[in-house]
Amino acid sequence: QITLKESGPTLVKPTQTLTLTCTFSGFSLSTSGVGVGWIRQPPGKALEWLALIYWDDDKRYSPSLKSRLTITKDTSKNQVVLTMTNMDPVDTATYYCAHRRTAMALFDYWGQGTLVTVSS
Amino acid sequence: DIQMTQSPSSVSASVGDRVTITCRASQGISSWLAWYQQKPGKAPKLLIYAASSLQSGVPSRFSGSGSGTDFTLTISSLQPEDFATYYCQQANSFPLTFGQGTRLEIK
Repeated sequence: QITLKESGPTLVKPTQTLTLTCTFSGFSLSTSGVGVGWIRQPPGKALEWLALIYWDDDKRYSPSLKSRLTITKDTSKNQVVLTMTNMDPVDTATYYCAHRRTAMALFDYWGQGTLVTVSS
Repeated sequence: DIQMTQSPSSVSASVGDRVTITCRASQGISSWLAWYQQKPGKAPKLLIYAASSLQSGVPSRFSGSGSGTDFTLTISSLQPEDFATYYCQQANSFPLTFGQGTRLEIK
């Protein structure tokens, strides 16, 4: 059974760096073909893909946010970490991590999401 | 970037109705399309992948079709638990992009 869960701060100040951790079970990020992505959703708005990391450490980022994002994995801990620098109130959103369906850049298992508010 | 445009933005329907939601890509994406269902306060749930393949555990009243730039999600007979927001997502190329969502409401 695949499960994912996001953790991190619920409130960050403008200009601060956000660090979110996705802890997962039921699969290994050292297995060929596996990937984990991050997607966010501002309140009342649509989904926005942020980043994706593959089993071989290949990484893909949203071009509009690439300069602010870093995605890493810790295979031994079954974790994926997303950092986003220079947070702004417009970054207020629910952040989801999700398991990439094998051989496709879409997501078949999602975490419950974590709401991050950016405010001074 | 490939833009995904859904229509309608919202639709009202009754239990038992047949509903169709469309998604158009700004350029061809073959069959690299997914449909998700999202209920308030919950994470999205994958319904359809590869444009027409039903994800395991999803009721057969959901179906998807299309290729290239035009896609549809059809719910053959609406059930009370189907009232939610639906999103399409292209999986053809990076950056991955979602549609703006279609809210399905009870009439």
